[in-house]
Amino acid sequence: TQLLEQSPQFLSIQEGENLTVYCNSSSVFSSLQWYRQEPGEGPVLLVTVVTGGEVKKLKRLTFQFGDARKDSSLHITAAQPGDTGLYLCAGTGANNLFFGTGTRLTVIP
Amino acid sequence: DTGVSQDPRHKITKRGQNVTFRCDPISEHNRLYWYRQTLGQGPEFLTYFQNEAQLEKSRLLSDRFSAERPKGSFSTLEIQRTEQGDSAMYLCASSRSKLTGQSSYNSPLHFGNGTRLTVT
Repeated sequence: TQLLEQSPQFLSIQEGENLTVYCNSSSVFSSLQWYRQEPGEGPVLLVTVVTGGEVKKLKRLTFQFGDARKDSSLHITAAQPGDTGLYLCAGTGANNLFFGTGTRLTVIP
Repeated sequence: DTGVSQDPRHKITKRGQNVTFRCDPISEHNRLYWYRQTLGQGPEFLTYFQNEAQLEKSRLLSDRFSAERPKGSFSTLEIQRTEQGDSAMYLCASSRSKLTGQSSYNSPLHFGNGTRLTVT
């Protein structure tokens, strides 16, 4: 089993603060994806990172893939209440995705 | 809306009963996946189909679970003799896989909104 550990598991911050979520594994992945999931809905893809060391920006979200392609981080600048949700990283296997343990973010207005 | 749809959205059943869920993928997607998600955790892979062929099954998929995709379009997931530990959100996802020369391209997974199962 390719285990992806996310930290922190829970995060509650004030609107306007910055935060970073980490995704770590002992396995190497060909690519890694980040999803956001809201209650009662399925995960929605935010970004895919493929190259070791790659950095991708999506408005206030910055995603980084580790040089060894075993870990990744998600940084959110100036968090807003609309960022509240469950953030999931997922490593790409040969034919499916292996999801991380999840980080539940709550942004307080 | 041509996204992935799942039915029913919620199912409450008594222990020992059988339940069946349906997933309709995005029409041009040839791959279909089933995942299970418990509260506050990430989804766990159960099985996937390429067209009508079931190509991989997780060890999580006990003998009480069976999935089918008879015509390579919609899929069903049946749980027999349900147990309280089966209570979870069952997610379906689809993607498009294409062989290009000696490599393959897999599009990102598109998820449905899941079926929440409660076994009492």
